[in-house]
Amino acid sequence: AQKVTQAQTEISVVEKEDVTLDCVYETRDTTYYLFWYKQPPSGELVFLIRRNSFDEQNEISGRYSWNFQKSTSSFNFTITASQVVDSAVYFCALSEANAQKLVFGQGTRLTINP
Amino acid sequence: EADIYQTPRYLVIGTGKKITLECSQTMGHDKMYWYQQDPGMELHLIHYSYGVNSTEKGDLSSESTVSRIRTEHFPLTLESARPSHTSQYLCASSDWGGHGYTFGSGTRLTVV
Repeated sequence: AQKVTQAQTEISVVEKEDVTLDCVYETRDTTYYLFWYKQPPSGELVFLIRRNSFDEQNEISGRYSWNFQKSTSSFNFTITASQVVDSAVYFCALSEANAQKLVFGQGTRLTINP
Repeated sequence: EADIYQTPRYLVIGTGKKITLECSQTMGHDKMYWYQQDPGMELHLIHYSYGVNSTEKGDLSSESTVSRIRTEHFPLTLESARPSHTSQYLCASSDWGGHGYTFGSGTRLTVV
């Protein structure tokens, strides 16, 4: 069965600090997809990134970067030079190619203080 | 421009009322989903559908029901709302490969 664990329930940092959100997943499938979503207070889910299980290249998008390591079943998300607008709840999620359902982690509430 | 629409955005309703939350998508996706989420908490899959006339219960038990008569439409119904149903309900759709999921803006339901 697929499972996603985000061990950090809440993180609070001061603006301009770097912050890493951890995500560990479990799956028996060899083909799967990993996602990160941002949920601001308004409640909608904002898609950030998708990686497939065959592509372990790290990705950088502006201040955001993602580190995918199959050896440790982790897909961590780093924000560099954090800003107050980054404050939100962040969800990691997993979709197995066979099950084709999106399963979410518990979410990490990130607060960036000015 | 949103490709998946949920209405209403907010709903406050009395106990015992019947309600239907609407979800429509314009992408031609066969697969659609309903998630329930308490504020700031984990999203739980409560229903999904792989196509017309297909509906399945999700990982979290729910008293709601769904129907899928048309590809683009996946409404969720509560026959008799209770305060325990107060939550946010998010609808989503995806392509067959599971490559990408599109979410609606959600319906925030409050039962008083």
